[in-house]
Parts: sequence; structure tokens; C-alpha cells
Amino acid sequence: SAVISQKPSRDICQRGTSLTIQCQVDSQVTMMFWYRQQPGQSLTLIATANQGSEATYESGFVIDKFPISRPNLTFSTLTVSNMSPEDSSIYLCSVARGIGGTEAFFGQGTRLTVV
Amino acid sequence: TQLLEQSPQFLSIQEGENLTVYCNSSSVFSSLQWYRQEPGEGPVLLVTVVTGGEVKKLKRLTFQFGDARKDSSLHITAAQPGDTGLYLCAGATQGAQKLVFGQGTRLTINP
Repeated sequence: SAVISQKPSRDICQRGTSLTIQCQVDSQVTMMFWYRQQPGQSLTLIATANQGSEATYESGFVIDKFPISRPNLTFSTLTVSNMSPEDSSIYLCSVARGIGGTEAFFGQGTRLTVV
Repeated sequence: TQLLEQSPQFLSIQEGENLTVYCNSSSVFSSLQWYRQEPGEGPVLLVTVVTGGEVKKLKRLTFQFGDARKDSSLHITAAQPGDTGLYLCAGATQGAQKLVFGQGTRLTINP
């Protein structure tokens, strides 16, 4: 398993501002994943963050809106930029371990409300 | 695009009843996982199945991987209020590092 610390756990932000979410893992990992979970729904992958290279974004997500940093093998940040109420969601970071390197372990999530 | 269709999306039953949640796809997965998520927390891995036809048991929970590795089921026997939560299936395809998640089943067990 993996211990993943994510902060903040929740925040209420004004529209037009930006929020940076931090994710710290207890051991080195090659890839970290950022997901969005809208209220009552499943997880949607935003991007995959590799250390030392640009993050890979999924369809519908762009770097200008969700810039990601990955300065070392245990840490990553996701910024939600120029927020609007539609960005209100839970944001989760994750690492993959275990069988085939595909078992996901998640932080506790950041519940973001944009007003 | 690989999709995992999960059903039902909502289920509310009485304590002591049995239930089954299904996860179906037209794609073949090298492994499939089930997660449970409670409010204010991230999803927690329950089980991984990798072999077609595989059955795994976790106390009152039974997980099965379809013979063709395209579908899976989660059966809960004698459900308890502590089983309440969002259940998610997720599949990994051969060589892929990303997971595909089903839509989730929100399960409520009433005392």
C-alpha cells in the first residue's frame, strides 16, 4: 500500500482565483495521477504526472487550466486556475502499486467549492 | 474508448439482504479492481482479480472475474449498515498504466 497525504482537505474559493493542491507520498513513485470526482459521480482522470517531464493530460483537460508540477519522486501539485463554480469538485491524487502496478491508492481528496 | 458499465447506479436495501453489483465492458482487461469510497475519503482498494473465472472472497463480499475478463461482479451477503458507500470497479488493460473506472454504485444499507 501507500500513504498519501493531500492538502488542503477542503477549501471554499472565489471565482477567478486559483488553488494549488499538494500531494505527498511516503515513498518514491514514477507516476502520480490526478483525478476529479464531481458530486455523486465516479472518477475522471485529469492527468498523469511523471517526474522530470511534462504531465500527460486527458481529453478535455488542458495545462493552462490545470498546471501540474512534479519536482521529485514523492511530491506533486495540481493547480486549478481561474476557477468557476463548474470547478467545484473533489480532486484526488493517486499512485499505482501492487499487481501489475495498477492498484490505485488515493489521498483523502480535496473538496473544492467555488463561489 | 474503453468503458466500464456499472449497475445498478443506486441501491438501497435493508440490513440482512443480499445484493449483487455488476461491472461490464466490451473490452478485455488484464486486471480488474473493486474500491469502496466513504464520504470525505478517497477510494480504498478492496480486491484485484486477474484470472478469467477467478473468485475471491473478503468476509461477506464475493468478487468474480468473468471468463473472458470483460466483466466482474461483487456480491454482498447479509448486508450491514457498515457496507454503505460508493463502490467502484476499475479495469486495467494490458500495458496500460491508467485505470478505467465504472460510474459507481451508491449503496445504502438501512438498519
